[in-house]
Amino acid sequence: DAGVTQSPTHLIKTRGQQVTLRCSPKSGHDTVSWYQQALGQGPQFIFQYYEEEERQRGNFPDRFSGHQFPNYSSELNVNALLLGDSALYLCASSGIYEQYFGPGTRLTVT
Amino acid sequence: DQQVKQNSPSLSVQEGRISILNCDYTNSMFDYFLWYKKYPAEGPTFLISISSIKDKNEDGRFTVFLNKSAKHLSLHIVPSQPGDSAVYFCAASLNSGNTPLVFGKGTRLSVIA
Repeated sequence: DAGVTQSPTHLIKTRGQQVTLRCSPKSGHDTVSWYQQALGQGPQFIFQYYEEEERQRGNFPDRFSGHQFPNYSSELNVNALLLGDSALYLCASSGIYEQYFGPGTRLTVT
Repeated sequence: DQQVKQNSPSLSVQEGRISILNCDYTNSMFDYFLWYKKYPAEGPTFLISISSIKDKNEDGRFTVFLNKSAKHLSLHIVPSQPGDSAVYFCAASLNSGNTPLVFGKGTRLSVIA
């Protein structure tokens, strides 16, 4: 049983560019959440998708957007990248109970 | 304003002894609490959780204690093993573990053989 998978593992982008990160949830999970973890900090909630709709959103600007597909996989898009967007982006999937995290995508903005 | 606080950035414990990791929270509406462990280059791994209707939950070597009146929880690991060396995150949510999690900054545990 594959756990939560994310791609790519690492990514380097330039300020102003756009990026798309991808996540496949654990089998049987229908809810996907995205978190941003800056260096030395705990993960911070970006948004959560359920039934292809954004169900909840954290305190992140509109430059951060997402999508969930019928197979429950999800994408995180970030437009107009800033240096401060450099972080580890974590995807978590869940059914009824706890969230299970993927290994993350390390985004570096130069 | 940090709603979940882990005031000890690091903790060092000898193998076989007890490790106690602490966490405080400020939002009395939090109803569910979780501990995650994170190794470098991996995502957080779920360890153990506790609902606000309980004050203790055990799973093998791991026990979580919740003191609602003090808004404090702790994770006990007994006995500690070198493989337990990792960063431990405390997290809280308003409903269940399926709802958005608010994390602390983490405590780095080093278990010395």
